[in-house]
Amino acid sequence: SQQGEEDPQALSIQEGENATMNCSYKTSINNLQWYRQNSGRGLVHLILIRSNEREKHSGRLRVTLDTSKKSSSLLITASRAADTASYFCATEGGADGLTFGKGTHLIIQP
Amino acid sequence: NAGVTQTPKFQVLKTGQSMTLQCAQDMNHEYMSWYRQDPGMGLRLIHYSVGAGITDQGEVPNGYNVSRSTTEDFPLRLLSAAPSQTSVYFCASSDPGDVQYFGPGTRLTVT
Repeated sequence: SQQGEEDPQALSIQEGENATMNCSYKTSINNLQWYRQNSGRGLVHLILIRSNEREKHSGRLRVTLDTSKKSSSLLITASRAADTASYFCATEGGADGLTFGKGTHLIIQP
Repeated sequence: NAGVTQTPKFQVLKTGQSMTLQCAQDMNHEYMSWYRQDPGMGLRLIHYSVGAGITDQGEVPNGYNVSRSTTEDFPLRLLSAAPSQTSVYFCASSDPGDVQYFGPGTRLTVT
């Protein structure tokens, strides 16, 4: 079963606006990771946030983690057309790999 | 570094055929894993390995075998292909508890 659940499933915004995606999960984790996937391509790692961290930044990306609510958010600021992609959160709870959500499909309108 | 490489990129099989999907990494990662991605879905873990000689099952292992004879290679074998195995397969590697690096994927169609 998939632990992470992204919300919304799809998001369409204008170029230059900010995009926020949320992820909820069910069990305790060691870390949570966000990935981007362009259509028909592989996954690109964006940010890893560990269970003892609350916020991380990388360029235009900001990730928060609230372990008490078992939730995370990914904020992309000043969106660009090249940000159009599917975004997945994945949780790691042990040595048995990542558990992925179904993803948020983000469309940036020019 | 080539990172994580997968071959082939595309494959079409008939029901009942067997084949091996190859995965190799040159980052000396102990951890390697195989996922499948079906349309509109996230990735689901098939098998994983925490080091040479050690493999274990993930969420959807039925119909697949793996082995890990070296740190670099982690092939995935389909024993008797079924249409339900039509999917995109991704291999990944990482240090324990760290970022996973994914290969470009193998698109498999079983007719």
